[in-house]
Amino acid sequence: SAVISQKPSRDICQRGTSLTIQCQVDSQVTMMFWYRQQPGQSLTLIATANQGSEATYESGFVIDKFPISRPNLTFSTLTVSNMSPEDSSIYLCSVGSGTLGYTFGSGTRLTVV
Amino acid sequence: QKEVEQNSGPLSVPEGAIASLNCTYSDRGSQSFFWYRQYSGKSPELIMFIYSNGDKEDGRFTAQLNKASQYVSLLIRDSQPSDSATYLCAVKNPGTASKLTFGTGTRLQVTL
Repeated sequence: SAVISQKPSRDICQRGTSLTIQCQVDSQVTMMFWYRQQPGQSLTLIATANQGSEATYESGFVIDKFPISRPNLTFSTLTVSNMSPEDSSIYLCSVGSGTLGYTFGSGTRLTVV
Repeated sequence: QKEVEQNSGPLSVPEGAIASLNCTYSDRGSQSFFWYRQYSGKSPELIMFIYSNGDKEDGRFTAQLNKASQYVSLLIRDSQPSDSATYLCAVKNPGTASKLTFGTGTRLQVTL
């Protein structure tokens, strides 16, 4: 299975600022997925990032708040913009397929103060 | 109605016993089912996936799928304290680009 390097692993940010999270995969993948896991909750899909096209956002998530880049088949970034304390969560990227399963990055623990 | 439901637990089992974790899903067209283990402060780790009705075994783990009843379960034999974690059930939705829907997870505690 693919190996994902995600960074930063954690950050504490001031409200109103933005944070960009990076994920690098050790192999080429068509789709990358960005999830959020709020404290004590399960994972919620934010968006699916395809190389060469706009990301597809799930209900409740918008591009202005969570812009995504996918410049090539091994890399993607998620930006959390104009942060508020409600954005404090763990953010995870994931790759995989329905036949082989999905692998997650190590996660970014974000605290907004 | 939640799409994927799990009992939040905690489920407490003694060391050496069988732990049984259950998950129900609402979309009858769901095709693939995944079990993840998540230790506190860590990212989810894939344990098993299953597509066909019946049982699938991998070491101490057995996944069971019953599409008619829309449930999937995970059995952990000879439970160890290191199995103490939150177990997440995930379902691949039909007709979507590999989207997974996760349950809220069951916290398992294996006691000495």
